[in-house]
Amino acid sequence: YELTQPPSVSVSPGQTATITCSGDSVPKEYAYWYQKKTGQAPVLLIYKDTERPSGIPERFSGSSSGTTVTLTISAVQAQDEAEYYCQSADSSGSYPWVFGGGTKLIVL
Amino acid sequence: EVQMVESGGGLVEPGGSLRLSCEGSGFTFSPFNMNWVRQAPGKGLEWVSSISSLSTRIYYADSVKGRFTISRDNAKNSVFLHMSSLRAEDTAVYYCAGHLYDSDGYYTEYWGQGTQVTVSS
Repeated sequence: YELTQPPSVSVSPGQTATITCSGDSVPKEYAYWYQKKTGQAPVLLIYKDTERPSGIPERFSGSSSGTTVTLTISAVQAQDEAEYYCQSADSSGSYPWVFGGGTKLIVL
Repeated sequence: EVQMVESGGGLVEPGGSLRLSCEGSGFTFSPFNMNWVRQAPGKGLEWVSSISSLSTRIYYADSVKGRFTISRDNAKNSVFLHMSSLRAEDTAVYYCAGHLYDSDGYYTEYWGQGTQVTVSS
């Protein structure tokens, strides 16, 4: 089972970045989004497709449509430059966590 | 303060074994489902293994099935990953992560800072 993300997304500061994640099980399983910076542990940004944990800025939001989930980052800041990963489950029940390949957000 | 601390990483020769540990503190460990996730140099995150709160459900990625064993000791607030028949491609930073949905549907997830495993002769 695979989750497909674009390798990179480029955006200017203050603009909006959208990162997509596609997979056949997406309509059946919740999706989660993480931010990963070098040398640091992953940080959970979104759970249950659209929910934001406490402490995560409102600039980060999630949505879902069909076989695609989307992470939207509004008013992008330089500090948002990082790798972003989606995560979901294989609906067969064999693989509870599956990660997308990751998307490098480049802040121009 | 919530903490998840991994230990046990290091340098091991191909074919060798290693046991990783992860101890949680500052929260009630036993209800959490626990996971191991790794990141090889220059690569993305890869899920490795998961174990449910009472160890009744255990899962492995195909890449480690038959070589790695996950276990936990709730009395010691710890989860373990025994790795054997190690290969160069197992070289990675290994993270433990715990997750839980409470009765209201609120989700909690904690991650450790990772431990480096290097498989090389």
